[in-house]
Amino acid sequence: QMQLVESGGGMVQPGRSLRLSCDASGFIFGDFAMHWVRQAPGQGLEWLTVIPYDGINRHYADSVEGRFAISRDNSKNTLYLQMNNLRLEDTALYYCARESPSSGAFDLWGQGTWVTVSS
Amino acid sequence: IVLTQSPLSLPVTPGEPASISCRSSQNLLYVNGNNYLNWYLQRPGQPPQLLIYMGSTRASGVPDRFSGSGSGTDFTLRISRVEAEDVGLYFCLQALQTPPPYTFGQGTKLEI
Repeated sequence: QMQLVESGGGMVQPGRSLRLSCDASGFIFGDFAMHWVRQAPGQGLEWLTVIPYDGINRHYADSVEGRFAISRDNSKNTLYLQMNNLRLEDTALYYCARESPSSGAFDLWGQGTWVTVSS
Repeated sequence: IVLTQSPLSLPVTPGEPASISCRSSQNLLYVNGNNYLNWYLQRPGQPPQLLIYMGSTRASGVPDRFSGSGSGTDFTLRISRVEAEDVGLYFCLQALQTPPPYTFGQGTKLEI
């Protein structure tokens, strides 16, 4: 069964850091580009960042550029999101998602992990 | 690329049809003939689920009461006969822009 499981969320003070993980199983992780998407409480979806299958040419939304860093370890089937200098507005449910190479659609999502930034 | 969904709220009666519009600020039709516009349903308390990709192709396991149409800048998601399990937030997503960012529509809340 194909699955993505996020972890690493929690409550953190503004300016601090947090690293999220996304463990993949049931498919060949190294064949797929991967994304992080977040959803603030009661809000819509916001795309954050993408990493291709080979880890090169990563891209970020303006809202997180310079503060967040996406990475992957294909040997461990794991995606990461390093979040630095966190702000109150980064409070959200963070999802990892797999991109279909043929359609560009996000065809597999995790359940999400909550990040709360509060003083 | 900005995606604008309408309506933002959609009250429906079970058994009746429903439709949601997604308009793009730029053409999503690529030179290969594919529209890079996808539709998702997020049921309450659940992650988004892919319904339609490339504008009109149903994802695996999606009931045939869901259909997508449109090309270029105007797209529509239709539900032929709404069921109670269809309640949730519907989002469109453009996956054309290179390099990213990808962008989502604001979401449409469908409620019975």
